[in-house]
Formats: sequence, structure tokens, C-alpha cells
Amino acid sequence: NAGVTQTPKFQVLKTGQSMTLQCAQDMNHEYMSWYRQDPGMGLRLIHYSVGAGITDQGEVPNGYNVSRSTTEDFPLRLLSAAPSQTSVYFCASSLDLASGNTIYFGEGSWLTVV
Amino acid sequence: AQKITQTQPGMFVQEKEAVTLDCTYDTSDPSYGLFWYKQPSSGEMIFLIYQGSYDQQNATEGRYSLNFQKARKSANLVISASQLGDSAMYFCAMRDFRSNTGKLIFGQGTTLQVKP
Repeated sequence: NAGVTQTPKFQVLKTGQSMTLQCAQDMNHEYMSWYRQDPGMGLRLIHYSVGAGITDQGEVPNGYNVSRSTTEDFPLRLLSAAPSQTSVYFCASSLDLASGNTIYFGEGSWLTVV
Repeated sequence: AQKITQTQPGMFVQEKEAVTLDCTYDTSDPSYGLFWYKQPSSGEMIFLIYQGSYDQQNATEGRYSLNFQKARKSANLVISASQLGDSAMYFCAMRDFRSNTGKLIFGQGTTLQVKP
């Protein structure tokens, strides 16, 4: 019963480097999303997807890129890492856009940009 | 604007006692969902309980229950028989079902410490 799986759990990047945070779910959920969690700012939506081939921007999309080539996977790419992107990143999925009781989060990815 | 307010930054409760974590929300939309998540020190976000705006009864999940008062726009989480493992940060969140983003709007969280 994997649920939502995120990798890596911890990562340290140098400013300017790029990397991809992986997210996979095995629940056949159409809706997937990425949030970042910062002290005093709560969780903010970065990007989301309502199905394979469809992605859109959330509140704080700048500096991030996503794709959804399959229902299961929703990777988040940092194009050129900046210290302001130091944060905890969560992937979340639900059955669809309007689901109530099926929103699950991955375990989080701690990213530090130096 | 939609908003979630958790007014208790920190709470203490004695083991085996019940505790209520407050959550008020603001939305003009009649269709929404309210969630509570637990975030222990290890960092993961654990889904606890859900209440839909049209649900007639208060949601319950084991030791967790949601005291939903729609007219007052409150959705307080009640944890009965607290355990040491309940020590964590708790987040109230709302999802607007008519939004085209599916975004969850989170409160600032309440840190709960259970004393032995």
C-alpha cells in the first residue's frame, strides 16, 4: 500500500543547479499537486494537474516546472535553484479535482539550496 | 477571500484527556470540504478527518471527531483520550469544490503537546 511516494527525502543543492523531485501514486488518482511549506507561510500550491497531459500553475509557480506524462507520476523540476527555494515540498493527490475525502500527501522532501 | 484561521499556536493536554483544536473558516461558496491533517516531528502530513459542507452529521474517525458548526463557520477537531503519540502540529484546511485549482487552503497550524 504505497500511496503517494516522494523522492528524494533530503537534498542539498548549490545555487543555479537543477534537480527533479519525483512523485508517484498508485491509487489511480487523476488530480496531483505540489505544495511547498515554509515557516509562517503555511503550505502553498506550486503546480497541479487534473490528469495526464494537463498541468497548470498554482500560487507560487515561478522557478518550477512540471509535467504529467502518466497518471501515476508528477515530477517537479527546479530549473535553476535559488536559496529562496529552500523549503519542504509535498506532493498530494486525490481522485479528482472535486474530491473531498481522498486527498493524500507524500512524506515530504526537504530541500536546501546553498 | 477564502481563509482558514487557527487561533491556538500551541496547546497542552494531559494524557488520556480530550482536547479541542479550533478552526474557523471563511468562504462565500456553499460547496466546500474541510480537512484536518497531523504533522508529527518527522514531517509527513497525515490525513485525519474530512467534513463536507453538505454533510448532515459531524464526521468521526476513531478518536477524532469534527465539531462542525456551519452557521458559525467553525470546524473544530476533538481528540478524545489523548496519547503521547498525538503530540504534533495539526492543520485545518479547506478545499473549494468549485475552484478550478483543487487547492487546499491551510491554517497556520496548532502545536499540540500531550503530557504524561
